[in-house]
Amino acid sequence: DTGVSQDPRHKITKRGQNVTFRCDPISEHNRLYWYRQTLGQGPEFLTYFQNEAQLEKSRLLSDRFSAERPKGSFSTLEIQRTEQGDSAMYLCASSFKHRNEQYFGPGTRLTVT
Amino acid sequence: GENVEQHPSTLSVQEGDSAVIKCTYSDSASNYFPWYKQELGKGPQLIIDIRSNVGEKKDQRIAVTLNKTAKHFSLHITETQPEDSAVYFCAANAGGTSYGKLTFGQGTILTVHP
Repeated sequence: DTGVSQDPRHKITKRGQNVTFRCDPISEHNRLYWYRQTLGQGPEFLTYFQNEAQLEKSRLLSDRFSAERPKGSFSTLEIQRTEQGDSAMYLCASSFKHRNEQYFGPGTRLTVT
Repeated sequence: GENVEQHPSTLSVQEGDSAVIKCTYSDSASNYFPWYKQELGKGPQLIIDIRSNVGEKKDQRIAVTLNKTAKHFSLHITETQPEDSAVYFCAANAGGTSYGKLTFGQGTILTVHP
C-alpha cells in the first residue's frame, strides 16, 4: 500500500501523559499536513511542512503541541501534558509541492481519560 | 480567515435518487475546492475537486459546480447507491501564504436507503 500511513491507529492515555504520533506520507510528496477532527466536525488545520520546514501553524496548536519532520520524510506530532480536550482524531495528509490535492491517512484516535 | 458553511447536515435518499450538498465560503481568494468522503473509522477520501477557473466538473455519477460570484459550490451525486452512504465534507483552499491549508465544512451525513 503506497498511501499515507499513521501509527498508532488508537491511543488511550491518562491526563497529564505525553503522547507521540507518527505519519508516513506518500512517497515523494514533499508537503505534509496535520489536522485534528472532533466528533461530528470537519477536520481542522493544525500545521504543515514543506520538506523539513514547518511553514504554517494554527492558533489551535498550543505550546503543548509540537510537530517535526526532521528529514523531510515522516513526521511526528507530540502532545505534552495531555488534557481531556485533546481527545480527537489526528489526521495526516500529504501532497506534491505545487499540487492542491491532499491525501489523508487513516488517522490516530486519541482518548485522554 | 476562510469560513466554510455546509448544508444540509443530514440527507436521506432512496437508492437511485440524486443527492445535492451545498457549501458557501467567505474568502474570495480561495481558488481550490475539494470534496471528501469519510466512512466510519477511516480518513477522508478525496472524491472530486474543482478549481476557480472552472464552473463544473463531472466524474461518472458525481459532479461539482462552482459559482465564484456567489461564493458557493455544490456536490451532485446521481443514481445513488447504498455504498454512497458516508459523511461528505467540502473544503476550500486559499492561495498565497495559505496555499497548503484546507478549511472544511461541518459535514453532511448521507444515508442511501435500499
